[in-house]
Amino acid sequence: DAGVTQSPTHLIKTRGQQVTLRCSPKSGHDTVSWYQQALGQGPQFIFQYYEEEERQRGNFPDRFSGHQFPNYSSELNVNALLLGDSALYLCASSLAGSAQTSTDTQYFGPGTRLTVL
Amino acid sequence: SQKIEQNSEALNIQEGKTATLTCNYTNYSPAYLQWYRQDPGRGPVFLLLIRENEKEKRKERLKVTFDTTLKQSLFHITASQPADSATYLCAYRRGSGNTGKLIFGQGTTLQVKP
Repeated sequence: DAGVTQSPTHLIKTRGQQVTLRCSPKSGHDTVSWYQQALGQGPQFIFQYYEEEERQRGNFPDRFSGHQFPNYSSELNVNALLLGDSALYLCASSLAGSAQTSTDTQYFGPGTRLTVL
Repeated sequence: SQKIEQNSEALNIQEGKTATLTCNYTNYSPAYLQWYRQDPGRGPVFLLLIRENEKEKRKERLKVTFDTTLKQSLFHITASQPADSATYLCAYRRGSGNTGKLIFGQGTTLQVKP
């Protein structure tokens, strides 16, 4: 049973460029959340996708956008990259509808380390 | 605004001792708190969840307490080992059920010395 996978592992971009990060959820999961984690900080929620729609969004600008595909995999796109976008980007998957009975855990991928020069 | 805070200073302890990490929250009353372990360059791994009506939860050498009066959760690792060295994050879910976003503290780094 594959866990959450993310690609690429590392990425180096320059300011103003655009980047796409990819995530495949744990088998059987249908909800994908994206987090940004700066060095020495806890993960910050970017947004969550369910049924191919953005369901919730954190305090991030419109430069951050995403998509969920019918197979539940997801992409995170960041436009007009800034130096401050350098961080570890984490994808987490969960199963909607299990709220009443589950331990309500999220399964995180290994992350994509983005460096903006 | 809702905040969840952990001691940002690293915790250094000797092998075999009990490590105690603190998580405080303000301006919100979460139904439950979660604790995660994160190793460098890796994603967080879920450890324990404690609900507001539970005073204490245990899993092997781990113990979590939840004091809704103090708005605080304590995370204990007994008989600590060097392999326990990692960053530990507490989090609560803002929103209903499994749909809300997780709000994380900044994490506390634990270093267990042999």
